[in-house]
Amino acid sequence: NAGVTQTPKFRVLKTGQSMTLLCAQDMNHEYMYWYRQDPGMGLRLIHYSVGEGTTAKGEVPDGYNVSRLKKQNFLLGLESAAPSQTSVYFCASNAGSLGNEQFFGPGTRLTVL
Amino acid sequence: RKEVEQDPGPFNVPEGATVAFNCTYSNSASQSFFWYRQDCRKEPKLLMSVYSSGNEDGRFTAQLNRASQYISLLIRDSKLSDSATYLCVVTDAGKSTFGDGTTLTVKP
Repeated sequence: NAGVTQTPKFRVLKTGQSMTLLCAQDMNHEYMYWYRQDPGMGLRLIHYSVGEGTTAKGEVPDGYNVSRLKKQNFLLGLESAAPSQTSVYFCASNAGSLGNEQFFGPGTRLTVL
Repeated sequence: RKEVEQDPGPFNVPEGATVAFNCTYSNSASQSFFWYRQDCRKEPKLLMSVYSSGNEDGRFTAQLNRASQYISLLIRDSKLSDSATYLCVVTDAGKSTFGDGTTLTVKP
């Protein structure tokens, strides 16, 4: 099993450009999450999904959109990138039951110039 | 006030030392509690879940006090390989809130 994978690993964008980050999991997990982590800080939840076809806003959703068309994939979109979105983005999944561990992808390092 | 607050650190300790990390949370409806470990520029990985009865895994002991909304992690006999950032995580209805982390450096 590959677990949770993220594409791409690194990306540099110019202000105003758009991009989509892809997260895929092969553990048949119901819940999936997108976080961002800025230097010296913990992870902040952007959006999450409790099942195929459903999404919800997290703590810092502005400037991002998501889609969960297939259970195994969770896409994070930036429509018009801003320098404030420079961060490391982590995707995670879990089975959805209380007390279950979240499994993280290796992260995407995004720089917006 | 942040929902999950941790000791800011950093903690610099010699090998063999015992070190304790504290975490407080503000959401009394929180249901699940965890400690994650994050190595530099890597993804977080689960260290251990935290239960009211306390739980131990080798040199690591975690404790939850629901009345005080307080979580702790104790590391005994620190090893060089324990150097990392430790994240306190609190979950409510499937959503997790992370603390900013406490950095531990274990020195020879």
